[in-house]
Amino acid sequence: QEQLHESGPGLVKPSETLSLTCAVSGGSISSSGFYWGWIRQPPGKGLEFIGSVFYSGSTFYNPSLKSRVTISLNTSKNQFSLRLNSATAADTAVYYCARQPQGLCGNSACFEVFDYWGQGALVTVSS
Amino acid sequence: SSEVTQDPAVSVALGQTVKITCQADSLRTYYANWYQQKPGQAPVLVMFGGDSRPSGTPDRFSGSSSGDTAALTITGAQAEDEADYYCSFRDSSGDHHWVFGRGTKLTVL
Repeated sequence: QEQLHESGPGLVKPSETLSLTCAVSGGSISSSGFYWGWIRQPPGKGLEFIGSVFYSGSTFYNPSLKSRVTISLNTSKNQFSLRLNSATAADTAVYYCARQPQGLCGNSACFEVFDYWGQGALVTVSS
Repeated sequence: SSEVTQDPAVSVALGQTVKITCQADSLRTYYANWYQQKPGQAPVLVMFGGDSRPSGTPDRFSGSSSGDTAALTITGAQAEDEADYYCSFRDSSGDHHWVFGRGTKLTVL
């Protein structure tokens, strides 16, 4: 069973870069047919998709964050990372990493879902 | 981007049936996935592709869709079903961009 674990600084100063890493165990991030994504949740609020990286290295970002976000794979360490530039207080959130298979097959077809999630990492942006 | 409508809060008596809905134009094209989140925990997938249950989801959970609305129904709600429920689907642009609803807080009375 896949396990994901986020790590990184819990406190970031405004205007600096927020960086997190997601370590994956129980499977390889190089396995074909998987996206690896980041989702965040501000305190007391809902979920927001940040972006994903495909096993091939192709990236996909939320248009509202695209100018500030970089997601990349590190296959030698079996982990992937998130960098969010020019952080502000609005970026304070619990950040989750998640696996997204290209197709989880159900009753009638196969669908993209976030099926395994990390436990989440709280990042506070404050001076 | 997609506008999403989810009731902020819903309550149900223990053992009764409750339907949680999610409305968005994208749902005319794409199926909804549903995630359950309990306090202090990561979300868990409970329904996908509109009406498919992952292994581990009790069969009292069912999913449906009609037009621009997807629904998650719990038949015989249990105390452990009290949680926030989020719908999610691909953005109307068709790009690999995922939208989440604002969540519905389910209280089991």
